Amino acid sequence: AQSVAQPEDQVNVAEGNPLTVKCTYSVSGNPYLFWYVQYPNRGLQFLLKYITGDNLVKGSYGFEAEFNKSQTSFHLKKPSALVSDSALYFCAVRDPPGGYNKLIFGAGTRLAVHP
Amino acid sequence: DAGVTQSPTHLIKTRGQQVTLRCSPKSGHDTVSWYQQALGQGPQFIFQYYEEEERQRGNFPDRFSGHQFPNYSSELNVNALLLGDSALYLCASSLEGRGNTEAFFGQGTRLTVV
Repeated sequence: AQSVAQPEDQVNVAEGNPLTVKCTYSVSGNPYLFWYVQYPNRGLQFLLKYITGDNLVKGSYGFEAEFNKSQTSFHLKKPSALVSDSALYFCAVRDPPGGYNKLIFGAGTRLAVHP
Repeated sequence: DAGVTQSPTHLIKTRGQQVTLRCSPKSGHDTVSWYQQALGQGPQFIFQYYEEEERQRGNFPDRFSGHQFPNYSSELNVNALLLGDSALYLCASSLEGRGNTEAFFGQGTRLTVV
């Protein structure tokens, strides 16, 4: 079965500093990986995805993610954090990888950016 | 271009009652999935509808059922509500046949069972 893990419940970073939100995956076959963000009392907003191709994926709002097959990781990054980036971030994997759009989500990481 | 819309936004029900939640997919999308997000957890897949049929189902009891209409909109029904059904229910839409596309989510329906 496909799964993702987000090892950190919360990440704290100062505004202007780089941020990383970690995600590791366990899949059979080539993974289809996604990052979503959730603001309070809102649904999920798509940030970026990795299907195939370049290991560095660029997404919305200045976010990017690095796919690392040897470490089975798909960490979310941003060079300079903003206070408005404070939200709940979810990593997800499609199950099965090439099949219908069923997503398996991690437990989420709360990002707090301090002024 | 309207995104995924869900109604109602909030709902309070009593244990044992039944509830119906509604979802209109993003324009051009034909597949609708439903997720349950309990407080402090990631979304859990309930089921998916395509061509008016349930195509996939997660680990949820038969009290959870759904429907998809010819215009691709969908309903989620939950019977015999339990306190543990209190959660944010999210609808996601996508386009069949486009295997590399992402799912778009609505803002959710917050269900509270008392």
